[in-house]
Amino acid sequence: DAGVTQSPTHLIKTRGQQVTLRCSPKSGHDTVSWYQQALGQGPQFIFQYYEEEERQRGNFPDRFSGHQFPNYSSELNVNALLLGDSALYLCASSLGTSGGAKNIQYFGAGTRLSVL
Amino acid sequence: AQTVTQSQPEMSVQEAETVTLSCTYDTSESDYYLFWYKQPPSRQMILVIRQEAYKQQNATENRFSVNFQKAAKSFSLKISDSQLGDAAMYFCAYRRFGYSGGGADGLTFGKGTHLIIQP
Repeated sequence: DAGVTQSPTHLIKTRGQQVTLRCSPKSGHDTVSWYQQALGQGPQFIFQYYEEEERQRGNFPDRFSGHQFPNYSSELNVNALLLGDSALYLCASSLGTSGGAKNIQYFGAGTRLSVL
Repeated sequence: AQTVTQSQPEMSVQEAETVTLSCTYDTSESDYYLFWYKQPPSRQMILVIRQEAYKQQNATENRFSVNFQKAAKSFSLKISDSQLGDAAMYFCAYRRFGYSGGGADGLTFGKGTHLIIQP
């Protein structure tokens, strides 16, 4: 049973560029959440996708956008990259229709984005 | 807005001994979930233990147990018989109960505690 997979593992971009990160959820999961983890910090919630729609959003600018596909995989897009966007981006999947107590988020190993 | 505070940036313990990691949180909700996640150098967050706020009994998973004090908004993690493989960053996280349009709510994390295991 494949867990949450993210690609690429590491990415280097320059300021002003655009980047797309990809996530495949754990088998059987239909909900994908994205988090940004700056160095030495805990992850911060960016947004969540369920049924191909953005359902919740954290305190991130519109430069951060996403998409969910019919197979539940997801993309995170960041436009006009800033130096401060350098971070580990984590994807987590869960089963949206399960009971609340069982709705656990399983994480991928993340994509390390470096903006130069 | 909910906040999660981990006041111990780093903790060190001898192998086979017991260590307790602290976490406090702030919320106006009465129903919610609390989690401890472990993040080893491989970067992947691994769920260690979870607690439902409506349950008075403290959760236990093998060598890991929590001390949940709802009135004090405290949620500490105790690791018994520490092993070298327990060395990692540990994050306390909060999620409110219920749904908003489907799917689980986003997690609110603390800044983490770096746990060092001395052989």
